[in-house]
Amino acid sequence: DTGVSQDPRHKITKRGQNVTFRCDPISEHNRLYWYRQTLGQGPEFLTYFQNEAQLEKSRLLSDRFSAERPKGSFSTLEIQRTEQGDSAMYLCASSPSGRDGYTFGSGTRLTVV
Amino acid sequence: LAKTTQPISMDSYEGQEVNITCSHNNIATNDYITWYQQFPSQGPRFIIQGYKTKVTNEVASLFIPADRKSSTLSLPRVSLSDTAVYYCLVGGGATNKLIFGTGTLLAVQP
Repeated sequence: DTGVSQDPRHKITKRGQNVTFRCDPISEHNRLYWYRQTLGQGPEFLTYFQNEAQLEKSRLLSDRFSAERPKGSFSTLEIQRTEQGDSAMYLCASSPSGRDGYTFGSGTRLTVV
Repeated sequence: LAKTTQPISMDSYEGQEVNITCSHNNIATNDYITWYQQFPSQGPRFIIQGYKTKVTNEVASLFIPADRKSSTLSLPRVSLSDTAVYYCLVGGGATNKLIFGTGTLLAVQP
């Protein structure tokens, strides 16, 4: 399977705990994106990497959120001190360029209880 | 980024052609129009992209009038498995992020 892989698929955590999600993009894609999607809404942009450089962050990405892509390959998204409002589907996508060839993973569904 | 407007939901029956129209009055000269499909608990999947006139691939056609202020996604002979949310997005060139609206929920009935 050469698609975008996300792990875990589901995560249930208690409020206040930290969680980390992983995304493995398509290997030849140098651009990687994180999105968040809540029920009934379209995905919302969180942040974007070109290779290992984080080039843009949304205002949605509070200081409790941090994303890394240390070697320009896989990426991690960490949420510290989770809140119930963080419950959502977290989607990762990769692309070889800014417009073309976006491929999304199946997402990580986070439930904060 | 140009904002898009599309119907919240549409109903159809198997075997029918479905046309979903999207309005994007503020589209910029270098913006492309892209449609994505999303099933529950999955990420969006690219369907088709175009700049002007008509584009056709193995799953859909995209019609874009000369003023480019709207576009229509055409799905021929839909089946039950085409039940999904369809998103219209505009952007491109130096734009790196996709801006999704709430999409159109297409429900195909037998």
